[in-house]
Amino acid sequence: NAGVMQNPRHLVRRRGQEARLRCSPMKGHSHVYWYRQLPEEGLKFMVYLQKENIIDESGMPKERFSAEFPKEGPSILRIQQVVRGDSAAYFCASSPGTTDTQYFGPGTRLTVL
Amino acid sequence: AQRVTQPEKLLSVFKGAPVELKCNYSYSGSPELFWYVQYSRQRLQLLLRHISRESIKGFTADLNKGETSFHLKKPFAQEEDSAMYYCATDKLIFGTGTRLQVFP
Repeated sequence: NAGVMQNPRHLVRRRGQEARLRCSPMKGHSHVYWYRQLPEEGLKFMVYLQKENIIDESGMPKERFSAEFPKEGPSILRIQQVVRGDSAAYFCASSPGTTDTQYFGPGTRLTVL
Repeated sequence: AQRVTQPEKLLSVFKGAPVELKCNYSYSGSPELFWYVQYSRQRLQLLLRHISRESIKGFTADLNKGETSFHLKKPFAQEEDSAMYYCATDKLIFGTGTRLQVFP
């Protein structure tokens, strides 16, 4: 089992562009979580998804951010019209069930120029 | 709002010294608490959860509901314990992390 995969590992965008971050959960895991880590800050929960459903998006900014976890393929975190403040490390985690241990991916470091 | 506080950004000790990484929480209901660790160039991974009451790599953590704390302890630190440590709840709230440096 390869573990949680995230790509790209590093992403550079100019202000106003779109950023698409991908997360492939561990085999057999149907729960995916996205977190953001701003410089000098801890991990902040953004969104929790199960296949084709958003369960909890209480940590997601209301505008420009969206997430999906389609029936087939990876989970995608999309940030439209990026701004400098979006520069951060974005981590994905997966678990087989709600109360199970989360397994983290290596993260995607987004830099907005 | 629920919150997890790790007051120390950095904790430096010498090998063989006792270690205590502090974690305080504000939480309504019965909390379930975790410690995650991130070693250099590795991904974040679960170290222990209070519900299992295990000792992992010599670390233990006791939930103290009176003090709303879940401090991580190890009696004798090793150099390989150097890492970032995050306290977290089952409601997906993480602390800001403490970097532990163990000097030889």
